[in-house]
Amino acid sequence: AQTVTQSQPEMSVQEAETVTLSCTYDTSESDYYLFWYKQPPSRQMILVIRQEAYKQQNATENRFSVNFQKAAKSFSLKISDSQLGDAAMYFCAYRRTGTASKLTFGTGTRLQVTL
Amino acid sequence: ETGVTQTPRHLVMGMTNKKSLKCEQHLGHNAMYWYKQSAKKPLELMFVYSLEERVENNSVPSRFSPECPNSSHLFLHLHTLQPEDSALYLCASSQASSTDTQYFGPGTRLTVL
Repeated sequence: AQTVTQSQPEMSVQEAETVTLSCTYDTSESDYYLFWYKQPPSRQMILVIRQEAYKQQNATENRFSVNFQKAAKSFSLKISDSQLGDAAMYFCAYRRTGTASKLTFGTGTRLQVTL
Repeated sequence: ETGVTQTPRHLVMGMTNKKSLKCEQHLGHNAMYWYKQSAKKPLELMFVYSLEERVENNSVPSRFSPECPNSSHLFLHLHTLQPEDSALYLCASSQASSTDTQYFGPGTRLTVL
């Protein structure tokens, strides 16, 4: 079974600084998808970034980028120029290929952004 | 309305009540999902519907009963719940393809007394 581990329950970053959130996963599949979702206090789960396992190039989305290390099964999220609005729970998620397959989530990292 | 909507946003019910959660997606997707988010636990998939057919049921107790009348609507019927069923229930939708990304609604916060 696939598992996703986020070892940092809480992180803090100063506004305008950079922070990296860690995620590791376990799978026997060779092709799959990885995601970072953000859940602010409003509870809406918002997609931040997505990575296809077959792509060697790390995904980027404005201030958000990932460091995808397939062999190490590591998928970290880097947030640059942190903003107050980035404060939220961040969830790493895995999905194998296949129609309507489920997301397997980690336990989340709560990110605080301070002035 | 845009995206994925859920009603009600908050629900308090007794253990003997019957209630339903509603999810509607406006994204033209054809797969819908129910997830449960409990305190200090990872989100757990409950049900998946693809092209209006249930394709996965993650060993969910029968007191939870899903219904997908069409590709835009998903319901979760609740009856004789237990206090441990109190949680945030999230609905998501996607295209039923191997590359689909799931988009979530705002959730229903359920409290069972």
